[in-house]
Amino acid sequence: GDSVTQMEGPVTLSEEAFLTINCTYTATGYPSLFWYVQYPGEGLQLLLKATKADDKGSNKGFEATYRKETTSFHLEKGSVQVSDSAVYFCALKSIQGAQKLVFGQGTRLTINP
Amino acid sequence: KAGVTQTPRYLIKTRGQQVTLSCSPISGHRSVSWYQQTPGQGLQFLFEYFSETQRNKGNFPGRFSGRQFSNSRSEMNVSTLELGDSALYLCASSLTPSGAVNTGELFFGEGSRLTVL
Repeated sequence: GDSVTQMEGPVTLSEEAFLTINCTYTATGYPSLFWYVQYPGEGLQLLLKATKADDKGSNKGFEATYRKETTSFHLEKGSVQVSDSAVYFCALKSIQGAQKLVFGQGTRLTINP
Repeated sequence: KAGVTQTPRYLIKTRGQQVTLSCSPISGHRSVSWYQQTPGQGLQFLFEYFSETQRNKGNFPGRFSGRQFSNSRSEMNVSTLELGDSALYLCASSLTPSGAVNTGELFFGEGSRLTVL
């Protein structure tokens, strides 16, 4: 079945550091790919998405590129801020089937000032 | 535009009891999905409803059930609670079963945190 694998956390960085959170997937066909973020005490918010190969999703300085050849969707940000501290989830939705997201385990990110 | 509203936000139950959680989707959204989030298992799909019909169900025992009303509000019920049911239960809504513009975008509520003692 479909699955998503994220780099294990937690990840701790200093403010203004470069961030990469790795995400790879296994799925039939070409799924849509997402990054969701969960701030403390809140639900999930969509951060960015890509629906086809070579698409780049971007939002709030975060970027991720849909790489079909490596089945990856790594999240990057050039200069992180303390306010970026949260848990980040990579997810996929198959183009077939009903409304169901398959999530990775999540990566907890802490940014120190 | 109001977001997805879940009630109650926090609740404590004891083993053997049952619980009902409520979810009001974004106005106009007809699809509601439920997810369970635990530290050990992460986010797991429970079920999805569209137009009062269950479209999909995850791999959970029959103690977990749900329904959707004509106004798209949804409830999920867990009977005979076990300690392992302690979790954050998240509801998500979308316009159609295929999501916004067929991209599968879901809009999540803040969740109902259930503690079973």
